[in-house]
Amino acid sequence: SSELTQDPAVSVALGQTVRITCQGDILRSYYASWYQQKPGQAPVLVIYGQNDRPSGIPDRFSGSSSRNTASLTIAGAQAEDEADYYCNSRDSSGNHLLFGGGTKVTVL
Amino acid sequence: QVQLVQSGAEVKKPGASVKLSCKASGYTFSNSYIHWVRQAPGQGLEWMGVINPSDGSTTHTQKFQGRVAMANNTSTSTVYMELSSLRSEDTAIYYCARGYYEGLDFWGPGTLVTVSS
Repeated sequence: SSELTQDPAVSVALGQTVRITCQGDILRSYYASWYQQKPGQAPVLVIYGQNDRPSGIPDRFSGSSSRNTASLTIAGAQAEDEADYYCNSRDSSGNHLLFGGGTKVTVL
Repeated sequence: QVQLVQSGAEVKKPGASVKLSCKASGYTFSNSYIHWVRQAPGQGLEWMGVINPSDGSTTHTQKFQGRVAMANNTSTSTVYMELSSLRSEDTAIYYCARGYYEGLDFWGPGTLVTVSS
C-alpha cells in the first residue's frame, strides 16, 4: 500500500542526536524527502534524494534509507530544531506524492 | 531567487468554489512542476495534485476527483487551483510548492481558506 508512517512525537536533549523514521513499502522504490515545519510557517525542505541538503540547511541534518524505512537524523540538536518534521515520497503510481503523518520533535 | 507568491485569504460558504493563485518567479517557469498541498488546522500535510506548466497537464489524488481543477498561465508564470463544492472539512491552508525530484524545494507562504456558513 502507499502509506508513509511516522512516530507522532519524539524528544531529544539539547546537543544530542535524534533519529526520525518514516516507514512504507514505497520507500523500497523511491527516496524520501524531509521537511521541517515551524508553527505558522510553510514547510522547508531539509533532505532530498539519497542524502542531499538544499543550500542553507545545516550539515547536522542527514538522511538515510534501508529497505522500507527512511530516516532523518539531527546530530547535535539545537533549540531552533524544535518543529514538526514530515517525510514524503511518490506513491505506487509514481505520479502522485504522499506525506507521512509528521513527527513533532521537542528539544529539551 | 525562487519565489512563489500566493493569493490572499478567502472565506467561502459551503457549496461555493474558491480559486487560488500562485505566481512564480526567479526560475524558468515551464521547467518545474507545481504541486498543491493543504494543511487543515492542527493536522498534517496532504498532497492534492500537480500541474506541469510546460503543457498544462495535471494529475490529482482521487480524493478530489471532480472537485479540483488546475491551470496555468505561462505569460504571467502563474498557476491556479480551483476547488469546488466546498465543505467545512476543506478549511485549511493551501500551499503551492515547486517539484524537485521526489520532493518540493520551494513553497509559497500558503493561503488560508475558511469554509463557514
